[in-house]
Amino acid sequence: AQSVTQLDSQVPVFEEAPVELRCNYSSSVSVYLFWYVQYPNQGLQLLLKYLSGSTLVKGINGFEAEFNKSQTSFHLRKPSVHISDTAEYFCAVSESETSGSRLTFGEGTQLTVNP
Amino acid sequence: GAGVSQSPRYKVAKRGQDVALRCDPISGHVSLFWYQQALGQGPEFLTYFQNEAQLDKSGLPSDRFFAERPEGSVSTLKIQRTQQEDSAVYLCASSFWTGGSGVETQYFGPGTRLLVL
Repeated sequence: AQSVTQLDSQVPVFEEAPVELRCNYSSSVSVYLFWYVQYPNQGLQLLLKYLSGSTLVKGINGFEAEFNKSQTSFHLRKPSVHISDTAEYFCAVSESETSGSRLTFGEGTQLTVNP
Repeated sequence: GAGVSQSPRYKVAKRGQDVALRCDPISGHVSLFWYQQALGQGPEFLTYFQNEAQLDKSGLPSDRFFAERPEGSVSTLKIQRTQQEDSAVYLCASSFWTGGSGVETQYFGPGTRLLVL
C-alpha cells in the first residue's frame, strides 16, 4: 500500500525568503506524485505533478519540486515566497496510470508567510 | 468553463439525521471521486465512479455511506443516521480520462463542510 509523509506540519517563513516543504512516500510500484494547495474554505488546486521524465518539475506560482527515487522524496520549493502563498499544501501519490487512480494524501503542511 | 461545484457548502445536522451532498463535475469528465477530509488531516478516498458505474467503494467507512451517479454526471453522497465522527469536509473531484497513457489530473470542488451535533 502507498503512503505519504509530510515531515513538517507547520512552516513559518518571512516574505521573500526561500522555502522547502518536505514530502516522502512509500510504494511497492512506480508512482505518480502531486502537490496541491488549499486556500481557506476552498478546494484543492494542483500546483504541479511528476509523471515521468525530468525529475525537476515546475509548477504554477513559481513553485518547483524534485523527484528523488532513491530517497523516495518529492520536496516542494520556492526561491522567494509572498504573503499570498500562505495556505495548506498537500503532497499526494497515485499508483495507477489507468482510470480510477485514487490519490493518497499526506497530512498537509501549513505554510505561513509573515511580513 | 465552470469548475467542479458542490452543494450545500455548509451543512449542520443533528445526530441521527440523513444528509445528501451534491457534486456537479466538470462537463464531459468521465471520472468522479469523493474524498473525506477530517479537521487537520489530508483528504482520504471514499469512492470512485467511471460514468455511472461505481468501480471502487472501498473507502466508504460504513454502510451508512452511499453514493450514486445515475446518469454519469451529477453525483450524490448520502450519509444515513449521521454520527459526530462524520463531521468533516467532503470533497468531490472529477477528471477526464483519455483512455491512453497519462495520469488523470483531478479537479476539486470547494467541498461541503458537514457538522454533526
